[in-house]
Amino acid sequence: AQSVSQHNHHVILSEAASLELGCNYSYGGTVNLFWYVQYPGQHLQLLLKYFSGDPLVKGIKGFEAEFIKSKFSFNLRKPSVQWSDTAEYFCAVTLNSGGYQKVTFGTGTKLQVIP
Amino acid sequence: EPEVTQTPSHQVTQMGQEVILRCVPISNHLYFYWYRQILGQKVEFLVSFYNNEISEKSEIFDDQFSVERPDGSNFTLKIRSTKLEDSAMYFCAVRDSLWDTQYFGPGTRLTVL
Repeated sequence: AQSVSQHNHHVILSEAASLELGCNYSYGGTVNLFWYVQYPGQHLQLLLKYFSGDPLVKGIKGFEAEFIKSKFSFNLRKPSVQWSDTAEYFCAVTLNSGGYQKVTFGTGTKLQVIP
Repeated sequence: EPEVTQTPSHQVTQMGQEVILRCVPISNHLYFYWYRQILGQKVEFLVSFYNNEISEKSEIFDDQFSVERPDGSNFTLKIRSTKLEDSAMYFCAVRDSLWDTQYFGPGTRLTVL
């Protein structure tokens, strides 16, 4: 079964600092990769996704992620965070093998941006 | 992005009672899912539903749980006899078959006393 691990559980940054959140997955086959964000009191929203093609994907609000197949990683980055980026970030994977494709989530990283 | 609404937003119930959580996708979708998130833990898959039947379920989804789409619109999750450990946020999701992406509703917070 596939699994997703996120290395940082809680990250505190000052505004304008750069962000990188780690994500590794374990599965031998082809996967689709996602980052979801959950702002305080809100529901899960899709930030970006990777299915195939260019391993550097750009999402909403200036976020990007890079798929490195050899490292089974899909790290999330943002050059300069804002206070409004305070949220919990979830890396997730589905199998790219047809079927009903349940989403497997990582444990999440809480990001706190200090003004 | 497809819209999904869920009702109620918060449900408080006594242990042993039955609860029904509802999900209403705004657009037509074929694939439906329920997930839950116990406080402080990760989001976990419960069940997927396609063509009016369960297509996959996790070990969490035991005989106390059931899903149905009774009127072709609402997608419901029923817990027959709630336990304290059922307290969690329950998220409904729909899958955009064109882009192979799941979109989540706002969740129902279930509190079992």
